[in-house]
Amino acid sequence: DAKTTQPPSMDCAEGRAANLPCNHSTISGNEYVYWYRQIHSQGPQYIIHGLKNNETNEMASLIITEDRKSSTLILPHATLRDTAVYYCIVRVAGWGKLQFGAGTQVVVTP
Amino acid sequence: GAVVSQHPSRVICKSGTSVKIECRSLDFQATTMFWYRQFPKQSLMLMATSNEGSKATYEQGVEKDKFLINHASLTLSTLTVTSAHPEDSSFYICSARASWSGHSYNEQFFGPGTRLTVL
Repeated sequence: DAKTTQPPSMDCAEGRAANLPCNHSTISGNEYVYWYRQIHSQGPQYIIHGLKNNETNEMASLIITEDRKSSTLILPHATLRDTAVYYCIVRVAGWGKLQFGAGTQVVVTP
Repeated sequence: GAVVSQHPSRVICKSGTSVKIECRSLDFQATTMFWYRQFPKQSLMLMATSNEGSKATYEQGVEKDKFLINHASLTLSTLTVTSAHPEDSSFYICSARASWSGHSYNEQFFGPGTRLTVL
């Protein structure tokens, strides 16, 4: 699976949008971009995934660049409960192992 | 839907004893389950992959005789840490891949984790 690069940390004000970048320049054509988050001392929680089109669900939006070498996870209205480590992972959909990198520690402040 | 449970949530044991951790998929069948380990302030590290009815596949550097994995049914996998030592103290997290979860085909869902402390 291709590796990803994320900033180690970022702060966000409550109520504002949080834009989390991820670089995956070596992504293969059949690999999807997945986002998970881990709140302290809990198991990871699935957020969203996509191949090349932008995706949106009740939690977040995923914007993937046309060349698929990078993506951005958008939390539209961050709340204090969104404070967590966010992981960007690429892998073949439904198969392969989910290998976690260091992720981005997001802190939402009042 | 797509709930994965782990038991126990916390366990403290003496050095040299064995500890068993259970992972259950509550509302779906999981042909494949994964076990991860996470040390403080570090990311999750995949330990092994297990398919129902087959022997587990361990990642490089993980001792298969120390971390025994059993995946006897489509809803249950167990991890036994044998002859535990203080350095085995960690947060153990299982994950189950759904054949069909109602949310997403073949996606992976995680349990809440088990905190193991070896004295």
